[in-house]
Amino acid sequence: AQSVAQPEDQVNVAEGNPLTVKCTYSVSGNPYLFWYVQYPNRGLQFLLKYITGDNLVKGSYGFEAEFNKSQTSFHLKKPSALVSDSALYFCAVRDPLSSGSARQLTFGSGTQLTVLP
Amino acid sequence: SAVISQKPSRDICQRGTSLTIQCQVDSQVTMMFWYRQQPGQSLTLIATANQGSEATYESGFVIDKFPISRPNLTFSTLTVSNMSPEDSSIYLCSVKRGETQYFGPGTRLLVL
Repeated sequence: AQSVAQPEDQVNVAEGNPLTVKCTYSVSGNPYLFWYVQYPNRGLQFLLKYITGDNLVKGSYGFEAEFNKSQTSFHLKKPSALVSDSALYFCAVRDPLSSGSARQLTFGSGTQLTVLP
Repeated sequence: SAVISQKPSRDICQRGTSLTIQCQVDSQVTMMFWYRQQPGQSLTLIATANQGSEATYESGFVIDKFPISRPNLTFSTLTVSNMSPEDSSIYLCSVKRGETQYFGPGTRLLVL
């Protein structure tokens, strides 16, 4: 079975500083990995994904994530945080070789990012 | 990407009643997904809806409680039946384009 863990419920960072939101995964095959952001009273917005190829993927709003197969991680990063980045961030994984419901996205528990002015 | 709209955006309902949530997508898709996000929780898949066939429900979710319709390739409805306060959640519609899933804005339901 596939799973994803976000070990930090809350991350606080000062505006202008780099930010990292951690994600680790477990799948039997090669994973498809995703990051989503949820602003207050909004739905989920897609940020970026890793399917194959370059381990460093770039997404919306200046975010990027690095796929590390040996550490089974897919941490979300941004070089300089903005107050407007404050939101709830979800990591998700899918194993494309699974069947049935296991082929669907499995979400982490979410990390609340707060960027302090 | 995908443009997804949901109605209503929020509602407050009395226990024992039912609410139908509508989801409209900007172009045709084979599968539509319905998720629940309970307060302070992550997303849980309720069911997958294909046009012309019965929805496939995940463990812990049943058709009598969450009937789904999929009359065409751009529209689906989810009904939350015989509601109780435990059904207070955000309900999200989702579609897949390529390998990426996109989500609607959600319907915020409060059951009193």
